[in-house]
Amino acid sequence: DSGVTQTPKHLITATGQRVTLRCSPRSGDLSVYWYQQSLDQGLQFLIQYYNGEERAKGNILERFSAQQFPDLHSELNLSSLELGDSALYFCASSVAGTGIEAFFGQGTRLTVV
Amino acid sequence: AQSVTQLDSHVSVSEGTPVLLRCNYSSSYSPSLFWYVQHPNKGLQLLLKYTSAATLVKGINGFEAEFKKSETSFHLTKPSAHMSDAAEYFCVVSSGYSTLTFGKGTMLLVSP
Repeated sequence: DSGVTQTPKHLITATGQRVTLRCSPRSGDLSVYWYQQSLDQGLQFLIQYYNGEERAKGNILERFSAQQFPDLHSELNLSSLELGDSALYFCASSVAGTGIEAFFGQGTRLTVV
Repeated sequence: AQSVTQLDSHVSVSEGTPVLLRCNYSSSYSPSLFWYVQHPNKGLQLLLKYTSAATLVKGINGFEAEFKKSETSFHLTKPSAHMSDAAEYFCVVSSGYSTLTFGKGTMLLVSP
């Protein structure tokens, strides 16, 4: 158990809908990362927050947004969902913003039908 | 800027034989390097890390990796493969103010 908690574990929704994925980092970790993993694209970095501020941005679509709250938990919002958004979404956390390992949650499997 | 290249997308070994997964990196600053493993339908687990201490790093489950600055490499090895080692392995770099950069992954297949 990495100490990173993601909810829900599974999510099935229809095209055009909006969903929110939640991540609770390990106790004491200030940085949260979001990744998308699919068979065709592999593991894609979406976005990183550090102590509430956006730290780095990767291949995140404009339909997606994220935030980190004062209690350091984070949410990833996915809107106007398309079939191609079906993937495993991982959250990870680390103590610092760079140069240190991150610990991953078990992921949220999103299926868009 | 930083990048990671995992030289093999798939590696096949027999149980009991050595494992070598190759990783080259590029970074403008002194890097921190990591190997993660992902078993099917599971999250990523940290195998080992290099953060400018000893160049030979030992990790969990008998894996180790050697940081070679002159070759910009961080290859992952294990003397004897076990069936339970079958998984996908990711090499990761972080340096300067840059966040973690993942390689594309190497799928390790272990046959009896």
